Amino acid sequence: GENVEQHPSTLSVQEGDSAVIKCTYSDSASNYFPWYKQELGKGPQLIIDIRSNVGEKKDQRIAVTLNKTAKHFSLHITETQPEDSAVYFCAASTVTGGGADGLTFGKGTHLIIQP
Amino acid sequence: KAGVTQTPRYLIKTRGQQVTLSCSPISGHRSVSWYQQTPGQGLQFLFEYFSETQRNKGNFPGRFSGRQFSNSRSEMNVSTLELGDSALYLCASSYYPGLATGELFFGEGSRLTVL
Repeated sequence: GENVEQHPSTLSVQEGDSAVIKCTYSDSASNYFPWYKQELGKGPQLIIDIRSNVGEKKDQRIAVTLNKTAKHFSLHITETQPEDSAVYFCAASTVTGGGADGLTFGKGTHLIIQP
Repeated sequence: KAGVTQTPRYLIKTRGQQVTLSCSPISGHRSVSWYQQTPGQGLQFLFEYFSETQRNKGNFPGRFSGRQFSNSRSEMNVSTLELGDSALYLCASSYYPGLATGELFFGEGSRLTVL
């Protein structure tokens, strides 16, 4: 089955700086890569996703890049703000016309924004 | 629009007992997935239901089961509880099954403690 590795487990950055979280996956059939943000006491919330036919996707201060050859994808957050403090999860799945496997998640990155 | 509603939010059981958790998806959503979240194993896929049928199942023992009703509400059941079943159980809904389009919307979870 799929295996997703996520690094680092904890990331502390100064407010206003950029944060980068990296994930690798093992199954070359995976073609859908979402990123979720989980705040304390809440369920994960999708912040951005990318499909394997795209190399990069941006949404305001957030961007995701995908390297299919290296089986590697990353989340980039620029101009970090205190409200960015949370646990971030990467995930991978195989989506076909007939449906999809469940998401395989990385172990999470605790992002701390220092004032 | 109301989000995904999970009940109960917190519960305590003893080993050997069974538990039933409930999930009401976002209105109009027909697919419901369940995930288990623990500090050690992270987020793990349990199963997905669409139109009252289980479409996919993760790698969990048969003690974990679920069902979906005609109104898309879903329940999951864990029988013969073990200490290791202590976790946050998250339900997620989407309009289409299998991540084909659209995102998964997670509830806030049911936190189960097994003593």
